[in-house]
Amino acid sequence: GEDVEQSLFLSVREGDSSVINCTYTDSSSTYLYWYKQEPGAGLQLLTYIFSNMDMKQDQRLTVLLNKKDKHLSLRIADTQTGDSAIYFCAETFSMDSSYKLIFGSGTRLLVRP
Amino acid sequence: NAGVTQTPKFQVLKTGQSMTLQCAQDMNHEYMSWYRQDPGMGLRLIHYSVGAGITDQGEVPNGYNVSRSTTEDFPLRLLSAAPSQTSVYFCASRPGVRTGELFFGEGSRLTVL
Repeated sequence: GEDVEQSLFLSVREGDSSVINCTYTDSSSTYLYWYKQEPGAGLQLLTYIFSNMDMKQDQRLTVLLNKKDKHLSLRIADTQTGDSAIYFCAETFSMDSSYKLIFGSGTRLLVRP
Repeated sequence: NAGVTQTPKFQVLKTGQSMTLQCAQDMNHEYMSWYRQDPGMGLRLIHYSVGAGITDQGEVPNGYNVSRSTTEDFPLRLLSAAPSQTSVYFCASRPGVRTGELFFGEGSRLTVL
């Protein structure tokens, strides 16, 4: 079945770059997403990439997609303390005519001053 | 601009009690879904709906019922609560059935004693 895996924890210094990695199993995924969850809140969409793209850049965020290895990464440049949160990778999984969003377990990013 | 509204935010139940988690969205979204979030397991899809009168099961549907009598509302019912249902529940909606950003509510924390 479909599966999305992430490492559970990442700690970086303020000002450094953070790289959060994700692997997925469904090769038919159309969109892959990164969501951010701050404490006590729901998830908010950070960015997404269409499966026919290799890279997408959006201000401090860079998403890299390696379809051959089914590997997705999120790079945050100049990481700030406000970036401390849980980051979820998600893929769309298609079954019949419905498209479900399958989430990874989340990576908790801690930014040290 | 309410978005996705969940109630209640917190609830404590005894084993065997029933309750309904409410979810409403005011964005005229076709697709609505319920996830549960457990430590180290990310978000798992419970049930989803692609429109009024249409519901289907996700990854972990057992112990939960849903209905979608209107576009706006998608309640989640626990008929006989069990301690294994202690979790944080998120309702989410998106404009289209297939793709699009998923908008999340703020979550409902449920404890079953």
